[in-house]
Amino acid sequence: ELKVEQNPLFLSMQEGKNYTIYCNYSTTSDRLYWYRQDPGKSLESLFVLLSNGAVKQEGRLMASLDTKARLSTLHITAAVHDLSATYFCAVVRANAGGTSYGKLTFGQGTILTVHP
Amino acid sequence: GAGVSQSPSNKVTEKGKDVELRCDPISGHTALYWYRQSLGQGLEFLIYFQGNSAPDKSGLPSDRFSAERTGGSVSTLTIQRTQQEDSAVYLCASSSGALSEKLFFGSGTQLSVL
Repeated sequence: ELKVEQNPLFLSMQEGKNYTIYCNYSTTSDRLYWYRQDPGKSLESLFVLLSNGAVKQEGRLMASLDTKARLSTLHITAAVHDLSATYFCAVVRANAGGTSYGKLTFGQGTILTVHP
Repeated sequence: GAGVSQSPSNKVTEKGKDVELRCDPISGHTALYWYRQSLGQGLEFLIYFQGNSAPDKSGLPSDRFSAERTGGSVSTLTIQRTQQEDSAVYLCASSSGALSEKLFFGSGTQLSVL
């Protein structure tokens, strides 16, 4: 069974500070996603990481993937209040075949609060 | 439409009643997914449709749950004889089906079973 664990589950940050959210998964995967969810809202796609060593950046967020370590990180640079949300990573099992691309297994989510 | 549309946005029902939840995917997206989000279980995969292939139903929690997708577009998730533990947000997502494509999620249906 594929398991996905995020760390930390709760993160309280000061504006301007840097921090990293970690996502570990238990079996080989060929795709990893990061999503953001605001309270009462749906999931917004942030990044799709497809290969070992992949790094993607948008604004103050940067995501990376190490398939050998089965680890992805989401790094937050100089946090601002607008980044307050819940962040999820999600993984697709490798060799899922052509009919299982959407069978994502999600982590528990990291609730990020950025305060002045 | 511009995004994935789900209806109703909220549904309150009595235990034992049947409910139907609707999803309109992004036009042209061949892949459609249903997920469930609840406090105790997090985000759970329910079912996946891709084109004309047989759906992947491996995430449906019981035989009270079923889904269909008509004409390769709109999908309906049906829950029969609802139970209180079915209370959750039911999320629909669609994608082009390509390997690198993101899933685009709808706003969800908040189901409350009394």
